[in-house]
Amino acid sequence: EVQLVESGGGLVQPGGSLRLSCAASGFTFSTYTMNWVRQAPGKGLEWVSCISSSSSTIYYADSVKGRFTISRDNAKNSLFLQMNSLRAEDTAVYYCARRLDDWGQGTLVTVSS
Amino acid sequence: DIVMTQTPLSSPVTLGQPASISCRSSESLVHSDGDTYLSWFQQRPGQPPRLLIYKISKRFSGVPDRFSGSGAGADFTLKISRVEAEDVGVYYCMQGTQFPRTFGQGTKLEIK
Repeated sequence: EVQLVESGGGLVQPGGSLRLSCAASGFTFSTYTMNWVRQAPGKGLEWVSCISSSSSTIYYADSVKGRFTISRDNAKNSLFLQMNSLRAEDTAVYYCARRLDDWGQGTLVTVSS
Repeated sequence: DIVMTQTPLSSPVTLGQPASISCRSSESLVHSDGDTYLSWFQQRPGQPPRLLIYKISKRFSGVPDRFSGSGAGADFTLKISRVEAEDVGVYYCMQGTQFPRTFGQGTKLEIK
């Protein structure tokens, strides 16, 4: 069974940083493209970033480009999202997804002073 | 960026009756490889999104056959043949043809 468990969310001040993690199990992590998708409270879904299986290809949404960095550790079956220069509008539940087939439960990031 | 527009934004439906959601993209979703990467997701209250349909009409593993997708180019439809109580939630279309991936605004399906 595919399992994706996000962690690392919390309350951070504007301009601060946070690193999200996603622990994957139940599939061969190293062969799948992985994504981060977020959802602001009461709002719709916004795709954030994706990384290919070998980390050779990475894409970002314009809203996070230059501030967020996606990475992965295939030896540890883990996906990461380094978030810098955080803004109030980054407040959301952040989901990790295998391709976009299977999703974790999400981790809440709140940017507020 | 490709803009995805869903209609209606809210759909009250009677149990056992059909439901239909439309999704239109601002440009054709036909990829250079010949496939059309249009997906549908369901999000039940308090739950993460769940993939229902990919490549317009292919049902993902475990999805009941009362869910079906159709369309081509820039015009797509999700149909539920007979709505059940567990179908309540928000439905999103998403294009996977170009980066950035973009979602529709969501359609809230509720029971009358």
